[in-house]
Amino acid sequence: GAVVSQHPSRVICKSGTSVKIECRSLDFQATTMFWYRQFPKQSLMLMATSNEGSKATYEQGVEKDKFLINHASLTLSTLTVTSAHPEDSSFYICSARGGRAHMNTEAFFGQGTRLTVV
Amino acid sequence: AQSVTQLGSHVSVSEGALVLLRCNYSSSVPPYLFWYVQYPNQGLQLLLKYTTGATLVKGINGFEAEFKKSETSFHLTKPSAHMSDAAEYFCAVSFNNAGNMLTFGGGTRLMVKP
Repeated sequence: GAVVSQHPSRVICKSGTSVKIECRSLDFQATTMFWYRQFPKQSLMLMATSNEGSKATYEQGVEKDKFLINHASLTLSTLTVTSAHPEDSSFYICSARGGRAHMNTEAFFGQGTRLTVV
Repeated sequence: AQSVTQLGSHVSVSEGALVLLRCNYSSSVPPYLFWYVQYPNQGLQLLLKYTTGATLVKGINGFEAEFKKSETSFHLTKPSAHMSDAAEYFCAVSFNNAGNMLTFGGGTRLMVKP
């Protein structure tokens, strides 16, 4: 399968600071990327969907001003957690797919980023 | 709307024993069903998926799952557990067959005893 790389794998930051997480497709052009969040002992929840060159579509209850998503190129999407607080501590994971938006091409997951806000 | 329920957040089996991880779903449209495995500090890896056709789906690492529409189930099985199977397993449903915009179950942590 295709390779999706996420960086960093772990990050610890102070409360009030911002953290940027990168998601890269290494061997294909990712026209769509998905960002998920996994709280401890809970399942993954879709946060937002981003298409290259367009604004991200956020799921209900996800603050778009807090979780900034940029998908400016076909190989890179970034998630920035702004003014992070301890309750933002979570496992964030991206997935990426290629092809046109209406095509059902498979999405591949990155390794995830464990964010701890202290 | 779609939802997924995984019965049992933790399952423990002995090495060599049968693995059975349960998954039930609800979907207002014909579902596409997936099983993913997550090893510690790693991302998700697709084990197998059901889209259309044969209801018994074989995946990687000797796992298989059977789609039973009448029971709205998609249980994951493996005849003989191996120590390396210890991981978190997620069942998911999607409205498309590529695994985009997935709705996940709560996950089941599989422990394998020697």
